[in-house]
Amino acid sequence: AQSVTQLDSQVPVFEEAPVELRCNYSSSVSVYLFWYVQYPNQGLQLLLKYLSGSTLVKGINGFEAEFNKSQTSFHLRKPSVHISDTAEYFCAVSVGARQLTFGSGTQLTVLP
Amino acid sequence: GAVVSQHPSWVICKSGTSVKIECRSLDFQATTMFWYRQFPKQSLMLMATSNEGSKATYEQGVEKDKFLINHASLTLSTLTVTSAHPEDSSFYICSAAGTSGGETQYFGPGTRLLVL
Repeated sequence: AQSVTQLDSQVPVFEEAPVELRCNYSSSVSVYLFWYVQYPNQGLQLLLKYLSGSTLVKGINGFEAEFNKSQTSFHLRKPSVHISDTAEYFCAVSVGARQLTFGSGTQLTVLP
Repeated sequence: GAVVSQHPSWVICKSGTSVKIECRSLDFQATTMFWYRQFPKQSLMLMATSNEGSKATYEQGVEKDKFLINHASLTLSTLTVTSAHPEDSSFYICSAAGTSGGETQYFGPGTRLLVL
């Protein structure tokens, strides 16, 4: 079975500062990795995904993540955040296609 | 591309009634659709997985007779909450995975259910 740990439940950061949201996973087999963003009262929007290939993955809205197999991590980064980035961020893994296992989420709050 | 819609976005009903929620993939064919439930300030909990034309697979602890799932076509799945009670009040989110790139799930906007 897979598991996902998002180490920070809340991350406050000032506007235009860099941010890193941490995600570690556990699995005995190869996994696909995803980051989703959820704005209040909305569904999840795919930010980026790692399926194979380059370990540095670029997504929408200026976000990127790096897959580190040795550390079993998939941290999400953005060099300069905006107020509009305030949302809940979920890391997720899947084995092959289909069923996702989600982390508990990280609330990113961007302060003016 | 990869847009998933849900209807309704909000529903308020009386205890004991049944509520149907629709999930549609608008621009792709979804061989598999998933139904999640999300409580406030919490992550998503998978309720069931449905493949087009076959019975849904429910997660442990989810009552299949209470949460009826139908996936009659490659673009539509429905979740019916039967005899709803206040404890069924929640945010229900569906997702869909397509025939190509099936490793990626695309999520609907969610349906807020309030049972009085």
